[in-house]
Amino acid sequence: DADVTQTPRNRITKTGKRIMLECSQTKGHDRMYWYRQDPGLGLRLIYYSFDVKDINKGEISDGYSVSRQAQAKFSLSLESAIPNQTALYFCATRGGSAGEQFFGPGTRLTVL
Amino acid sequence: SQQGEEDPQALSIQEGENATMNCSYKTSINNLQWYRQNSGRGLVHLILIRSNEREKHSGRLRVTLDTSKKSSSLLITASRAADTASYFCATDPSNDYKLSFGAGTTVTVRA
Repeated sequence: DADVTQTPRNRITKTGKRIMLECSQTKGHDRMYWYRQDPGLGLRLIYYSFDVKDINKGEISDGYSVSRQAQAKFSLSLESAIPNQTALYFCATRGGSAGEQFFGPGTRLTVL
Repeated sequence: SQQGEEDPQALSIQEGENATMNCSYKTSINNLQWYRQNSGRGLVHLILIRSNEREKHSGRLRVTLDTSKKSSSLLITASRAADTASYFCATDPSNDYKLSFGAGTTVTVRA
């Protein structure tokens, strides 16, 4: 089974709808991240969390919110989706001393 | 804003050839990492090089780091069709557990 899972994998929605993307991990890591990827722009950090009580904004947090329901779960919400939020969204985790991040398979979101 | 910039944006090579891509960054770092992404999938960590290291190897991968020039290179030797992917460098500026990713280099290996 995958260590970092994301649901849904694909979602098409309409402008103004509320959307929640979910991420779960079995790696036991405290640190979790949400990124979006747009063609030609690489990954940009939306929000990150170092533990259940610690939530931080990334470089592009406007229009997004997050919830860390448990160590293993980190959800990303779009309160009122707009077309320029169409992108590929990735969740990632990171352990303690090692620097690498572990990524989920991504959610492809299309906002019409 | 993105810390790292990869060069070239795209690279096409014949199977068996070597592929080299470069990453430049702007601020001091604790470590620099390289990731691979197969089309539309999640990123996979390849290698991490710390600021006090100059070269690191992992299988067919060789990474160099020049902190005086704020640059790194990734060499893939004896490329295979399965190496076709996008490659991203990511910098860890101060070990604050956040990474800044570049826009990536797309590598196509022709059979």
